[in-house]
Amino acid sequence: KAGVTQTPRYLIKTRGQQVTLSCSPISGHRSVSWYQQTPGQGLQFLFEYFSETQRNKGNFPGRFSGRQFSNSRSEMNVSTLELGDSALYLCASSKYGGGTDTQYFGPGTRLTVL
Amino acid sequence: DQQVKQNSPSLSVQEGRISILNCDYTNSMFDYFLWYKKYPAEGPTFLISISSIKDKNEDGRFTVFLNKSAKHLSLHIVPSQPGDSAVYFCAASARRVNQGGKLIFGQGTELSVKP
Repeated sequence: KAGVTQTPRYLIKTRGQQVTLSCSPISGHRSVSWYQQTPGQGLQFLFEYFSETQRNKGNFPGRFSGRQFSNSRSEMNVSTLELGDSALYLCASSKYGGGTDTQYFGPGTRLTVL
Repeated sequence: DQQVKQNSPSLSVQEGRISILNCDYTNSMFDYFLWYKKYPAEGPTFLISISSIKDKNEDGRFTVFLNKSAKHLSLHIVPSQPGDSAVYFCAASARRVNQGGKLIFGQGTELSVKP
């Protein structure tokens, strides 16, 4: 079974631009969560989507948004990029209502904002 | 407000010895706890979990202990191997992950196992 895939793996943007990251969950997984990892803050929860609806949200500004499609694939968008948005963005999927009690992570997208 | 804390940023142990990684939490609503291992340039990999109804869970060389009254959990790796060298994250949730629980992660502890 294929794991969680994220594209692109690396991205370089400049301040003020916007960026869209993509995540394809494990087949059959309907829940997708996004996390930001920075050296100083560890992994911080951004939001979670289930059945195309945002179900949970972390403490991030409105510049961070996401969506989920009917095939469970998810995208995350960051508008008006700031230097502090440079981070590893991780996507994780889980099988709602069954399966093992964990989230499975993708390899992440490394975003660098110059 | 750091609800899950791993106070040791790094830990170094000798191959064959026990590695003990610690984690504290403040939110009494947390009922599920997980440990993940992360290598550079990879996403975290699930290691082991425990629910609040238990105080111990074992899986091979990995054992997690939970002390609810102290709001403390620990991961024991016995015996430690060089391949265990990675960053270990503790995570907690108020609901089961597969029922929409939101994971709150600690800062991570970098384990180095010396041959």
